Amino acid sequence: SQQGEEDPQALSIQEGENATMNCSYKTSINNLQWYRQNSGRGLVHLILIRSNEREKHSGRLRVTLDTSKKSSSLLITASRAADTASYFCATDRGSARQLTFGSGTQLTVLP
Amino acid sequence: SAVISQKPSRDICQRGTSLTIQCQVDSQVTMMFWYRQQPGQSLTLIATANQGSEATYESGFVIDKFPISRPNLTFSTLTVSNMSPEDSSIYLCSVIPGETNEKLFFGSGTQLSVL
Repeated sequence: SQQGEEDPQALSIQEGENATMNCSYKTSINNLQWYRQNSGRGLVHLILIRSNEREKHSGRLRVTLDTSKKSSSLLITASRAADTASYFCATDRGSARQLTFGSGTQLTVLP
Repeated sequence: SAVISQKPSRDICQRGTSLTIQCQVDSQVTMMFWYRQQPGQSLTLIATANQGSEATYESGFVIDKFPISRPNLTFSTLTVSNMSPEDSSIYLCSVIPGETNEKLFFGSGTQLSVL
């Protein structure tokens, strides 16, 4: 079964609004990563947060991690139509560096 | 970073045939993986491609169905054998370049449709 579950499954917002996506996972992790996928193509890495970090920023992205609740959130501020994509969280299972991906959130930003 | 060339980008195949997908990386990488993404679903790891030895398959995936080759540190192939419509998916090659050792870089994927 998937390690991570994401919600919402789909999110539709207006350009300029903020988008928040949540990810929950089941087992302990070394780090949690967020990826973006456009139109069913290859994924692009967005940001990595380590298990001993609580918050991380990268440009318009803000990621939080709560290891006690086994959850993470990705916030995209001031969204743009070009942010329309699917977003996946992924957890690192450890030494083999194999990532387990969440179910994904389909974000649509309306111009 | 790593630049990954994956081909074909898409194919439509007949039931019972096989398709080989190629993945070429612009630099030597230690770790290379093959993922499957079924329609509307998330990514599932098929196997880790090991250079010079047999691939390591995840539960639910077997070598007879998904044979993998990795003759060197820059190239790998995944074959989808004896295809059925249930094999219709996007297949993705990914690598972890040695210098980062944490985040994945992906090829652009192969969209496979089996009739």
